[in-house]
Amino acid sequence: AQSVAQPEDQVNVAEGNPLTVKCTYSVSGNPYLFWYVQYPNRGLQFLLKYITGDNLVKGSYGFEAEFNKSQTSFHLKKPSALVSDSALYFCAVSRRGQNFVFGPGTRLSVLP
Amino acid sequence: NAGVTQTPKFRVLKTGQSMTLLCAQDMNHEYMYWYRQDPGMGLRLIHYSVGEGTTAKGEVPDGYNVSRLKKQNFLLGLESAAPSQTSVYFCASTISRDRSTDTQYFGPGTRLTVL
Repeated sequence: AQSVAQPEDQVNVAEGNPLTVKCTYSVSGNPYLFWYVQYPNRGLQFLLKYITGDNLVKGSYGFEAEFNKSQTSFHLKKPSALVSDSALYFCAVSRRGQNFVFGPGTRLSVLP
Repeated sequence: NAGVTQTPKFRVLKTGQSMTLLCAQDMNHEYMYWYRQDPGMGLRLIHYSVGEGTTAKGEVPDGYNVSRLKKQNFLLGLESAAPSQTSVYFCASTISRDRSTDTQYFGPGTRLTVL
């Protein structure tokens, strides 16, 4: 069975500083990894995914994530945070033929 | 192109009442999903459908039923609501037949309270 951990419930960062939202996973076989963002009172929106190939994945709104197989991690990063990045971020994992499993979410607050 | 829509947006039920949540998508997507979102638990899959007329159980199916009579619609039913079903419900859809890799498109959610 696959599982996802997001070790931080809340991440606070100052506007203009780099941000990192952490995700670790457990899955047998090759993982497929995803990041979604949820703004208040909205559904989830896709940010980026890793299926195969280059370990560094670039996505929407300047976000990127790096797949690290040895550390079983897929941390989300952005070089310079914006106040508008404040939202709830979900990491998800799947594997071939299986449905997604979502993590519990991390609330990001970017302070002006 | 409205994407994925959900009806209603909010609902309050009393214990034992029944209701149906409607999800509609206009993207001609094959797969559709129902999730529930609870604080600190992320999204959990209730049921999903791989095409018109087919449904399958997800992680937390008990107390829910679903139907996919038309490709564009996926209905989630609660036959006898319980307070434990108080949650935010999200519908999602994917374009292809690879549920493990395809991007999911989400609706805006339905906030359900069971008293």
